[in-house]
Amino acid sequence: QVTLKESGPALVEPAQTLTLTCSFSGFSLTTTGVRVSWIRQPPGKALEWIARIDWDDDKFYATSLKTRLTLSRDTSRNQVALTVSNVDPTDTATYFCARTPPGPSVDPHGHFDYWGQGTLVTVSS
Amino acid sequence: DIQLTQSPSSLSASVGDRVTITCRASQTISTYLNWFHQKPGKAPKLLIYFAYNLQSGVPSRFSGGPSGTDLTLTISSLQPEDSGTYYCQQSYKTPWTFGQGTMVEIK
Repeated sequence: QVTLKESGPALVEPAQTLTLTCSFSGFSLTTTGVRVSWIRQPPGKALEWIARIDWDDDKFYATSLKTRLTLSRDTSRNQVALTVSNVDPTDTATYFCARTPPGPSVDPHGHFDYWGQGTLVTVSS
Repeated sequence: DIQLTQSPSSLSASVGDRVTITCRASQTISTYLNWFHQKPGKAPKLLIYFAYNLQSGVPSRFSGGPSGTDLTLTISSLQPEDSGTYYCQQSYKTPWTFGQGTMVEIK
């Protein structure tokens, strides 16, 4: 059974660094083709894909955020961490992590078959 | 980055109606388009992946097509539980991107 769960602070002050953790079970991030993404959603707004880490430790970031995002993984603990530096109120959002399953071949395409429940982060002083 | 534009932004339809949502890409994305349904306060749920493929457990009233730059999600007979917001998402090229969403209301 595949599950993902996000954790992190509910409130962060502007200019601080936000660290979120995605803890997952039921799959391994070392399996060829598996990927874990972070997607965020400001209150009342659309989904925004922001980052992805792949089975081979390749990392990809949204263009508008790549200078402030860092991904890391702990394969022994089945966790992926996302840090967002220098946060401001526009980073207020629910942050989701989601899995991309392996496909029949290794290619750069994918979809999100399992999602975490999301964690709401508010940036405010 | 590839931009996805959904139309309409919102719609209101009756139970049993046929509903179609379009996702237009700023460049060809072949069939690398996925569709999600989201209820308020919940995580999105995968409906269709790679344009045509129905995710396991999703009712057959949902279908997707065709390919290129204009792709569609069709609900053949709208049900009360289909209310919510629908999003398209492309994985043709990184960075992956989402459309702005289409809100579906049941009359």
